[in-house]
Amino acid sequence: ETGVTQTPRHLVMGMTNKKSLKCEQHLGHNAMYWYKQSAKKPLELMFVYSLEERVENNSVPSRFSPECPNSSHLFLHLHTLQPEDSALYLCASSQKASGANVLTFGAGSRLTVL
Amino acid sequence: GDSVTQMEGPVTLSEEAFLTINCTYTATGYPSLFWYVQYPGEGLQLLLKATKADDKGSNKGFEATYRKETTSFHLEKGSVQVSDSAVYFCALSDDYKLSFGAGTTVTVRA
Repeated sequence: ETGVTQTPRHLVMGMTNKKSLKCEQHLGHNAMYWYKQSAKKPLELMFVYSLEERVENNSVPSRFSPECPNSSHLFLHLHTLQPEDSALYLCASSQKASGANVLTFGAGSRLTVL
Repeated sequence: GDSVTQMEGPVTLSEEAFLTINCTYTATGYPSLFWYVQYPGEGLQLLLKATKADDKGSNKGFEATYRKETTSFHLEKGSVQVSDSAVYFCALSDDYKLSFGAGTTVTVRA
């Protein structure tokens, strides 16, 4: 496989469920990201793991919990979500270096919270 | 903080029409600028980029010029095709984080 792979592509969950989104990159990059894409809103950066350092957006609720066990894998653990959390969750990776930082995105995981 | 503002859509065009999508930015440093495209059911793909003032990025017939004096990075294509129907995102990067605009939906009709 090449590029950035996200699973599952679609997920429906109740507010009391616990689930996880998975992302894997095969590009040898050293930074990975979670973005939230909601209709008619700018993409929201949720979390960045860069060279094993986690940077997060302070407005992300604690019901979203990231995990990055190594430079190729990134998870987003979900628990007690709300209906407004329904969105497309995009994973991306990049090679952190000087100059333009080009992100490669996965196809996304479409989450619906009932 | 750094931010990007792009024109709201949706934009509907006929094939071979001229397309322009406006994008302006606010940044404290000297960011790199990007246009990403998202086709239906897919993630975002890099369309073009520019890393310094007066640079012109180009790809697949699309062009955008980094204008520092007007803090703009407008996307243009002279003759669109049905296959250009997608959502287009302007973005800027300072260090390793990207800030995106809200996206502009473009529909090209045959």
